[in-house]
Amino acid sequence: QSVLTQPPSASGTPGQRVTISCSGSSSNIGSNYVYWYQHLPGTAPKLLIYRNNQRPSGVPDRFSGSKSGTSASLDISGLRSEDEADYYCAAWDDSFSLWVFGGGTKLTVL
Amino acid sequence: EVRLVESGGGLVQPGGSLRLSCAASGFTFRGYGMSWVRQAPGKGLEWISAISGDGGSTSDSVKGRFTISRDNSKNTGFLQMNSLRAEDTAIYFCARMNSALGNAFDIWGQGTMVTVSS
Repeated sequence: QSVLTQPPSASGTPGQRVTISCSGSSSNIGSNYVYWYQHLPGTAPKLLIYRNNQRPSGVPDRFSGSKSGTSASLDISGLRSEDEADYYCAAWDDSFSLWVFGGGTKLTVL
Repeated sequence: EVRLVESGGGLVQPGGSLRLSCAASGFTFRGYGMSWVRQAPGKGLEWISAISGDGGSTSDSVKGRFTISRDNSKNTGFLQMNSLRAEDTAIYFCARMNSALGNAFDIWGQGTMVTVSS
């Protein structure tokens, strides 16, 4: 059972917009930044979003993040086949004094 | 090229020990914190431990069994794992923590597989 809650799966067709949610609590998302990572099994995870809604250089603007209260979301617009991967949210948790991840959302591009 | 390469994984019996290494290149290693994150088979990512750039501060989730350290003269980080259990079986990733990005894990290695089994 992960501290942050994500839907186990999401899907969309090429060109569509998909939103992945991440729910936490006052001790993690509610009081700290949210981060999003993309992971293709067998490869190194990749940072997509930092500080709730900032994109590192090289990440397309099709990816955007937002946060409200104790929840956050990752939006992917103009879905492409190469976006098919696992997506994880993460935040620091003040109560446990550790980094917590969501359980991951497997995105399928139909 | 900024790069992290893990090594030291393998098959170990329950109760045994392993020392993982994370070799960094392409950036000023001592200027960044480092974390270890693992992924058990069929499971999600789990943060294990972090260490500051100068090695003076550490934090971890696996109390008492795992110890994180670093040798900035060799641009290498380590994870010493003792009293290993079957549930420690996972791919272990090291990741750079970038304070300019709010301590985001901005660079990751490809991971090293640890299997705990008799």
